[in-house]
Amino acid sequence: SQQGEEDPQALSIQEGENATMNCSYKTSINNLQWYRQNSGRGLVHLILIRSNEREKHSGRLRVTLDTSKKSSSLLITASRAADTASYFCATVLYNQGGKLIFGQGTELSVKP
Amino acid sequence: DAGVTQSPTHLIKTRGQQVTLRCSPKSGHDTVSWYQQALGQGPQFIFQYYEEEERQRGNFPDRFSGHQFPNYSSELNVNALLLGDSALYLCASTLLGDYGYTFGSGTRLTVV
Repeated sequence: SQQGEEDPQALSIQEGENATMNCSYKTSINNLQWYRQNSGRGLVHLILIRSNEREKHSGRLRVTLDTSKKSSSLLITASRAADTASYFCATVLYNQGGKLIFGQGTELSVKP
Repeated sequence: DAGVTQSPTHLIKTRGQQVTLRCSPKSGHDTVSWYQQALGQGPQFIFQYYEEEERQRGNFPDRFSGHQFPNYSSELNVNALLLGDSALYLCASTLLGDYGYTFGSGTRLTVV
């Protein structure tokens, strides 16, 4: 079963707008990661946030983590058409050897 | 520096046949994981290999087996193919103990 659930399942915005995707999970984690996937191809690692961190930034990406609510959000600022892709959160559980448990993903469409 | 290389990129097989997918990890990585991604779903963990041994296994039947070679490359074998095995198969590599995963572009398997 999936550990994480993303919300919304699909998001359509205009270029220049911000995009926010949310991820909820069920059990305690070691870390949470966000990945991007273009057109059903390979996954690209975007950012990793550890369980003792609350916020991380990478370029136009901002990730937050609330372990008390078991949730994370990914914010993409000033979106571009090239950001159109599916975004997945993946959790790594303690004592689980590092395997990634993915959610169902959010499909983001950025219109020029 | 080459990333993760998977072959072939596409494959069509008939029900009941057997298939072998191949993965070369990123240079410097020693751990290889395999994931199955059905259309519209998040990737599902199949198994992970380190030092030529299966370290972890997801909820997949014994028809799914793997191997890791001394040069860290890996194979995924699926026997007695079912229509439901049609999916994108992703290989990911990392250095054991690190959580930074690099994914390949995947092999698209279609079972007819």
